[in-house]
Amino acid sequence: KQEVTQIPAALSVPEGENLVLNCSFTDSAIYNLQWFRQDPGKGLTSLLLIQSSQREQTSGRLNASLDKSSGRSTLYIAASQPGDSATYLCAVSYRVNYGGSQGNLIFGKGTKLSVKP
Amino acid sequence: EADIYQTPRYLVIGTGKKITLECSQTMGHDKMYWYQQDPGMELHLIHYSYGVNSTEKGDLSSESTVSRIRTEHFPLTLESARPSHTSQYLCASSELGDHLEKLFFGSGTQLSVL
Repeated sequence: KQEVTQIPAALSVPEGENLVLNCSFTDSAIYNLQWFRQDPGKGLTSLLLIQSSQREQTSGRLNASLDKSSGRSTLYIAASQPGDSATYLCAVSYRVNYGGSQGNLIFGKGTKLSVKP
Repeated sequence: EADIYQTPRYLVIGTGKKITLECSQTMGHDKMYWYQQDPGMELHLIHYSYGVNSTEKGDLSSESTVSRIRTEHFPLTLESARPSHTSQYLCASSELGDHLEKLFFGSGTQLSVL
């Protein structure tokens, strides 16, 4: 069974800190990796998508990296703000057919981030 | 801002009732998905569709059924709800491409079966 693991499960930081969220996956044969943000009781918002041929993507204060050989991705958030408080989910789209859903996303449990003013 | 809508936002019903969760998108996306999420747990894919008249089961077995009669509409039905069906149900869509597409999610339906 392919798994996506995110650590830490929860993180609390003071406003202004730079921080890194980690994601690991068990099979390097991926199509892409996506980072999402989920606010309490709501749906997901796509933050960054990294194709398998890419090493990183940037959007504003967010930077995501991908290392397929080690099965890892990181999401770097610069100068964190209270509005960044949310759960951040990592999801991987695999090339091989796992359970009949080739190309569909497998999600981690997320990292719950709290940025305190 | 993604144009994908789910109704109802919250639903509390009794055991044995038939329910339909609605999902519509106005982006013209071919591929649509239903995910189930319990608190603090991963999203699990329960159904997906490549387009009209296409429906596939996902990774997690579910007693629900789906239909795709129109591109923009992908409803999920439970014929007889049970307390074990209590969960959050999230609908998503994407363009059917070379696995490069982003997913756009609705706000979800929180279902509670008493």
